[in-house]
Amino acid sequence: GAGVSQSPSNKVTEKGKDVELRCDPISGHTALYWYRQSLGQGLEFLIYFQGNSAPDKSGLPSDRFSAERTGGSVSTLTIQRTQQEDSAVYLCASSLGGTSWTDTQYFGPGTRLTVL
Amino acid sequence: QQQVKQSPQSLIVQKGGISIINCAYENTAFDYFPWYQQFPGKGPALLIAIRPDVSEKKEGRFTISFNKSAKQFSLHIMDSQPGDSATYFCAASYYGTDKLIFGTGTRLQVFP
Repeated sequence: GAGVSQSPSNKVTEKGKDVELRCDPISGHTALYWYRQSLGQGLEFLIYFQGNSAPDKSGLPSDRFSAERTGGSVSTLTIQRTQQEDSAVYLCASSLGGTSWTDTQYFGPGTRLTVL
Repeated sequence: QQQVKQSPQSLIVQKGGISIINCAYENTAFDYFPWYQQFPGKGPALLIAIRPDVSEKKEGRFTISFNKSAKQFSLHIMDSQPGDSATYFCAASYYGTDKLIFGTGTRLQVFP
């Protein structure tokens, strides 16, 4: 079946502009995660949605970052007033969200954001 | 306490050799330790995972060794192949369904 999809695959923007990144999780997955991968760095957790629970926003680096998940499916990550340090690959992952420790996170291909 | 430290940053191995990547963690509450493989332009994909109640898990040519007392775990790739050339990330979480804390990655190159 279809995996996690993200759009756009690449986004170039000017400093100070707002951007929206989209994630379509695997159908039936109740958990959705956003991570950021900077050059030469590991993946940094940003935000986690699980069903109808309040999202875990503990990884968002500043109040310029926000995310929403509509209808328990598609998610949008919004970065306002982008800065050059926001340049990175933004990865989305989804999982079944059950209680099994084997619940696997499946990643999308990412959106490469470049802030000029 | 949230960190997962990974080494080496890069690794070059000849075809048929053994690749070893090491990770260390501090938070003893972590109870799920996956390894992810990432090819250029792709998202990471789960390779193999282990819980701290076992010391080793093997799947094909890939083995995780886990040392709970030392708070370390490692990935061993036996008979390394050029197709294994990728970036490998270790990770940890409090539970399989929670956010993952990733290491900084190891770029593996396997030469024929």
